[in-house]
Amino acid sequence: EVQLVESGGGLVQPGGSLRLSCSASGFTFSSFPVHWVRQAPGKGLEYVSSINHNGYTTYYADSVRGRFTISRDNSKNTVWLQMTSLRAEDTAVYYCVKVSNSGWWPLDYWGQGTLVTVSS
Amino acid sequence: DIQMTQSPSSLSASAGDRVTITCRASQGISNYLTWIQQKPGKAPKSLIYAASNLQSGVPSRFSGSGSGTEFTLTISSLQPEDFATYYCQQYNSFPPTFGGGTKVEIK
Repeated sequence: EVQLVESGGGLVQPGGSLRLSCSASGFTFSSFPVHWVRQAPGKGLEYVSSINHNGYTTYYADSVRGRFTISRDNSKNTVWLQMTSLRAEDTAVYYCVKVSNSGWWPLDYWGQGTLVTVSS
Repeated sequence: DIQMTQSPSSLSASAGDRVTITCRASQGISNYLTWIQQKPGKAPKSLIYAASNLQSGVPSRFSGSGSGTEFTLTISSLQPEDFATYYCQQYNSFPPTFGGGTKVEIK
């Protein structure tokens, strides 16, 4: 059974940092890209970042580029999202998402999410 | 960025009704479209990819169609567990973008 478990969310002050983790199981993790998608309270879904299967290629939304860094360790079946210079508008539930096949898309299985709250 | 516009933003329907949701892209995206379901307080679930292909385990009452700029998600006979918010998402070009969502409520 495919499982994606996010962790690391919490309350952080504006300008602070946080590292989210996504731990995967139930599939050949090293073969698949992984994406992060977020959802602000009461709002819709927003793309955040992507990493390819070996970690050599990454993408970011304009809103987080330069502040967030995505990385992975296939020996640990884990993807991380390092978030720095956090702003109030980064407050959201962050979802880790697997794709259906070895290409970048489409989105397939979603984790349960972890809540990040940026507030003083 | 490609803008995805869903209509309606919400609808009320009864169990057994046929429901259709529309998603329009601001430019052509071929068939690179996913439909996503989200129940209150739950993680999203991908239902359909490539505009018309059901993800594994998705009931056959769900169907998708369209290509280019106009797409539809149809639920042939609404079930109680289908009351949720539905999003479309294009993956034709970067950045991937989502529609604003359609909330399907109980009449």
